[in-house]
Amino acid sequence: DADVTQTPRNRITKTGKRIMLECSQTKGHDRMYWYRQDPGLGLRLIYYSFDVKDINKGEISDGYSVSRQAQAKFSLSLESAIPNQTALYFCATSDQGQGNQPQHFGDGTRLSIL
Amino acid sequence: DQQVKQNSPSLSVQEGRISILNCDYTNSMFDYFLWYKKYPAEGPTFLISISSIKDKNEDGRFTVFLNKSAKHLSLHIVPSQPGDSAVYFCAARSLGGANNLFFGTGTRLTVIP
Repeated sequence: DADVTQTPRNRITKTGKRIMLECSQTKGHDRMYWYRQDPGLGLRLIYYSFDVKDINKGEISDGYSVSRQAQAKFSLSLESAIPNQTALYFCATSDQGQGNQPQHFGDGTRLSIL
Repeated sequence: DQQVKQNSPSLSVQEGRISILNCDYTNSMFDYFLWYKKYPAEGPTFLISISSIKDKNEDGRFTVFLNKSAKHLSLHIVPSQPGDSAVYFCAARSLGGANNLFFGTGTRLTVIP
């Protein structure tokens, strides 16, 4: 089983709809992140959370919100989806431990907004 | 403004030869650099990293070199294998930051059998 699981893997929806993307992890990591990837661009950070009570905006948070329901779960919501939010979305986790800690990614959710 | 740049969108290499993937950055506050590999329909997979206090880190066939004065890092894969064919992303973290990563746009490596 994957350590970082994203659901759904694919979603097609219409402009104006509310959408929730979910991420759960079994790695026991405190830190969780949401990124989006657009064609020809690298991954860009939307939101991140260092623990259940700590939520922070990333580089491109406008139009998005998040919820950290538990250490293992971090959801991303699009309150009113618009076509330019069509992208590949990735959830990631990292350990809080000493030293440099890489982030570990889920397999992504491909979101299309018509 | 792109703080991490991968100027080569693609690279083709013969099996057994060396693959060299390059990455440039602009932010002198970056202190930790990573390379990720990504296959289609999968998430990025961590490959190798280097701290800014080092200039080289090696892990099996993979070596990362860091030139801080030039703000440049490179990933060497020797020997290249067909299974190495993937998109490679360079990423960097800012000193004192929140472990947030800044990614390059990726280089698609094709290893020809």
